[in-house]
Amino acid sequence: QVQLQESGPGLVKPSGTLSLTCAVSGGSISSSNWWSWVRQPPGKGLEWIGEIHHSGSTNYNPSLKSRVTISVDESKNQFSLRLSSVTGADTAVYYCARNIAAAFGMDVWGQGTTVTVSS
Amino acid sequence: EIVLTQSPGTLSLSPGERATLSCRASQSVSSSYLAWYQQKPGQPPRLLIYGASSRATGIPDRFSGSGSGTDFTLTISRLEPEDFAVYYCQQFGSSPRYAFGQGTKLEIK
Repeated sequence: QVQLQESGPGLVKPSGTLSLTCAVSGGSISSSNWWSWVRQPPGKGLEWIGEIHHSGSTNYNPSLKSRVTISVDESKNQFSLRLSSVTGADTAVYYCARNIAAAFGMDVWGQGTTVTVSS
Repeated sequence: EIVLTQSPGTLSLSPGERATLSCRASQSVSSSYLAWYQQKPGQPPRLLIYGASSRATGIPDRFSGSGSGTDFTLTISRLEPEDFAVYYCQQFGSSPRYAFGQGTKLEIK
């Protein structure tokens, strides 16, 4: 059974870069799935950040595209998120998730990691 | 850009009652690409329904989804105590690829 685990710094300074990793266990990241990042500001709803295929193909939310990079490391069975020029509005719980395919939704989620942007 | 609007914002019901949650899209959405999620405090979202009406693995049959075009519905036939949570609809489209509704909070009356 595939499991996902997010990791990374819980505190990032304003104007800095947020970097998170999602480790995939119980399955290979090199399957035919897409892998997404989703975030949730405190007390608010869900926002899709972007996704990556093991081939390296990516899709990003246009609202964040200029600041986001998602990459994959097949040898480590993990994928990563970098979000640059962060502000307090980027404070959120960040989740990684698996999309088997667009028609099947996001069926596996990590537990989430809280990132606070503050000096 | 497709915007999903969920209603009501908060729904107050008692265990055993029927819950009907609405998700309306600003443009027509392929029913193949409409999903519903449940989220409890401190937990990640859980996939309930995909393809507008197909239950995800392990989801009880009291959960059902329906709809097409711009109007979709999640129905919980008889509320159990563990069903009180926030529910989100999600669509797959072109830009952005995925978008979520703002959520409906289902609370105990």
